[in-house]
Amino acid sequence: AQKITQTQPGMFVQEKEAVTLDCTYDTSDPSYGLFWYKQPSSGEMIFLIYQGSYDQQNATEGRYSLNFQKARKSANLVISASQLGDSAMYFCAMREDNYGQNFVFGPGTRLSVLP
Amino acid sequence: SAVISQKPSRDICQRGTSLTIQCQVDSQVTMMFWYRQQPGQSLTLIATANQGSEATYESGFVIDKFPISRPNLTFSTLTVSNMSPEDSSIYLCSVDLSGVYNEQFFGPGTRLTVL
Repeated sequence: AQKITQTQPGMFVQEKEAVTLDCTYDTSDPSYGLFWYKQPSSGEMIFLIYQGSYDQQNATEGRYSLNFQKARKSANLVISASQLGDSAMYFCAMREDNYGQNFVFGPGTRLSVLP
Repeated sequence: SAVISQKPSRDICQRGTSLTIQCQVDSQVTMMFWYRQQPGQSLTLIATANQGSEATYESGFVIDKFPISRPNLTFSTLTVSNMSPEDSSIYLCSVDLSGVYNEQFFGPGTRLTVL
């Protein structure tokens, strides 16, 4: 079974608008971390934001915030005030602290910011 | 964070040949990881390389096809052997610095095209 699901293969957003990228996950490990990475066309992977399974508050990093709904096993990324440079692939990933500690990546969402 | 470099950044190779990809980190790290990203796909872990021990391969990847060396705490190589067009991918190395979020830091990737 897929451990990380990203149901939006592609998304469009108008510049300066906010956008939400969906991520749902599946694990039985009570201790895990959720990560979002950005991959521009250059291919590098850029770490954006982290949410731990025991964190009480939603993570925020500048224009990025994570809408963490533990009971629903979702960790959606919210990008506020989109910029043209936000156009990229976005990957949700999970690390299970007790099950090997390897990263598992979702299929990704391609975000296009329109001027 | 860490500065991670990969060589070559890209290459075009003939079927049946082999290519060795180098990954250099500017600090000592215990664990290094090698990922494959096929065109339009997500990242798939090939193997985990610890210094002083044999690499641990994920299901579907074998040492004869993807031999890995880890001679010291700052360097690793991945060889793609007896290449076929199906090996055309981006190959990324990453490191686990056990930082604040236990995120993985990625190198810039090697874009491999096999003709």
